Amino acid sequence: ETGVTQTPRHLVMGMTNKKSLKCEQHLGHNAMYWYKQSAKKPLELMFVYNFKEQTENNSVPSRFSPECPNSSHLFLHLHTLQPEDSALYLCASSQDFTENTGELFFGEGSRLTVL
Amino acid sequence: TQLLEQSPQFLSIQEGENLTVYCNSSSVFSSLQWYRQEPGEGPVLLVTVVTGGEVKKLKRLTFQFGDARKDSSLHITAAQPGDTGLYLCAGRLSGAGSYQLTFGKGTKLSVIP
Repeated sequence: ETGVTQTPRHLVMGMTNKKSLKCEQHLGHNAMYWYKQSAKKPLELMFVYNFKEQTENNSVPSRFSPECPNSSHLFLHLHTLQPEDSALYLCASSQDFTENTGELFFGEGSRLTVL
Repeated sequence: TQLLEQSPQFLSIQEGENLTVYCNSSSVFSSLQWYRQEPGEGPVLLVTVVTGGEVKKLKRLTFQFGDARKDSSLHITAAQPGDTGLYLCAGRLSGAGSYQLTFGKGTKLSVIP
């Protein structure tokens, strides 16, 4: 139990569907992240929110849309995805994005399959 | 070209053996971390190193940060099946405004009983 909870754990969707991934952290952290983990690739940082403000968007396609209503909750809205978007999506939190030695606390991930 | 190159990609050893995995880069890092990820779980932090030449020990695990802060190694003594997992190194580049944590592809370790 890392204090970061992701739902759903598994999701199968068609290319025309709209779905959302949810992340909640109970650690009192100020930064939240979405990472994508694909086979044979390093973890790819997608989005960062620090004190509810989006500070990083690493050229992520617009079919992925993040939302951070407060410091404890983070969503990733998905629509018209492609099969190559199938991956494990990891949410993480840390005390502050600008902390040089900050530890990331990860959720267990949402395994997404796009048909 | 990856910012952080990890080797080997895969390692399968017998229980009780020793092993070393490596994390190399041509860039300088202000800090470097090692995470372990078990199947069905997210990565969990093992250690953070910040000083060139720094050595940290965590029970049977020894972590070293290179003198130039461009590389790191993880040595496991007398490996156990519980050490099985994906070992990820991650670093923050040295320089103003470099906050992003960049990961290597990882070393997948299997320890056979």
